[in-house]
Amino acid sequence: DIQMTQSPSALSASVGDRVTITCRASQTISSWLAWYQQKPGKAPKLLIYKASSLESGVPSRFSGSGSGTEFTLTISSLQPDDFATYYCQQYSGFWTFGQGTKVEIK
Amino acid sequence: EVQLVESGGDLVQPGRSLRLSCAASGFNFDDYAMHWVRQAPGKGLEWVSGINWNSGSYGYADSVKGRFTISRDNAKNSLYLQMNSLIAEDTAVYYCAKALGGAVATILYDTFNIWGQGTMVTVSS
Repeated sequence: DIQMTQSPSALSASVGDRVTITCRASQTISSWLAWYQQKPGKAPKLLIYKASSLESGVPSRFSGSGSGTEFTLTISSLQPDDFATYYCQQYSGFWTFGQGTKVEIK
Repeated sequence: EVQLVESGGDLVQPGRSLRLSCAASGFNFDDYAMHWVRQAPGKGLEWVSGINWNSGSYGYADSVKGRFTISRDNAKNSLYLQMNSLIAEDTAVYYCAKALGGAVATILYDTFNIWGQGTMVTVSS
């Protein structure tokens, strides 16, 4: 199985901050990477697919980059609605997720 | 509105069986692969199983292989997960999810753009 490692596991940030989350794959996955946002008690929501493609309806403050084994999710200016847990997911083989990054209010 | 609604979750004893259902609406169900993903309480996401549009391609996580069976009925716009020989580690919220891409022979190289609200399965004596 392809292992996905996210960092950090949690972070505290303020509204307006630029936030970056990193995801590393245990082997190359080309650009077969997605990012999800999940709020407590809710289903995950797709933000980014194919490493850098923005899902329809997702605000442009979210962006993704990377290929191979190193990927990043960037929120350019953190908004109150963005406090949540974020997961990366590889789909080069059977799907695996990172352990999640919880974004909390500073 | 595109919607997925899961049902069938329950409290069951170890070793027993349970069947989950997922009703789809608002899109051409038979154009898309479908998947089950679970989340144990307070834990991360784990892919469980997926099936392509015509049931010709499917797969299972190692943790459920041989115990769980995925199926779909395109005439009823429904996805199913038959879970046998349940163990405590199967306790989780089970989500059904729609593939982002359209009808292809394989379930691979695609992610999930629509998720249901989830149904809770608790395995305990």
